[in-house]
Amino acid sequence: TQLLEQSPQFLSIQEGENLTVYCNSSSVFSSLQWYRQEPGEGPVLLVTVVTGGEVKKLKRLTFQFGDARKDSSLHITAAQPGDTGLYLCAGDNQGGKLIFGQGTELSVKP
Amino acid sequence: DSGVTQTPKHLITATGQRVTLRCSPRSGDLSVYWYQQSLDQGLQFLIQYYNGEERAKGNILERFSAQQFPDLHSELNLSSLELGDSALYFCASSVTPTSGYEQYFGPGTRLTVT
Repeated sequence: TQLLEQSPQFLSIQEGENLTVYCNSSSVFSSLQWYRQEPGEGPVLLVTVVTGGEVKKLKRLTFQFGDARKDSSLHITAAQPGDTGLYLCAGDNQGGKLIFGQGTELSVKP
Repeated sequence: DSGVTQTPKHLITATGQRVTLRCSPRSGDLSVYWYQQSLDQGLQFLIQYYNGEERAKGNILERFSAQQFPDLHSELNLSSLELGDSALYFCASSVTPTSGYEQYFGPGTRLTVT
């Protein structure tokens, strides 16, 4: 069974701080997607990484896919209250069937 | 707005009943996925359809079934409902079922079984 372990599960920080969320697996994925979800709403796609070692930036968010395509990280610089939400990583290696991590609940306080 | 629509937004029903959840994919997307999200299990893949054909199954109970119609909308049928079926049910769509193509999620249907 493929599993994606996300850490930390919960993160509460002050506005302006930096943070990193990790997504690890013993399995290789052909691609990995990061989503952000607000309470009661559907996950919103942030980025897809496909190539081992790939780094993608989305404003203050930096996503990295591990060289072996087994792990990924999300780094947020100078977090803002608007970044608050549930961050989910999801691995795909079976033609679209996504395996989701448990999520990281981020709270950014003003 | 992802372009994926789901109805109804909320559904409250009793144990033993049967419900149908509906999903319309983004324009141009041929593949539809159903996921269940509960507090203890997180987001779990249930089933995938591509252009009307079932393509992959995940942790879907035998009491649950789905189909994708010629107009590409999909329905998820849940029968003999139990309290433990209470969850958020999401539909997602993508252009093709090939790995690496992004999946876009709908707003979900919150099912409460009493």
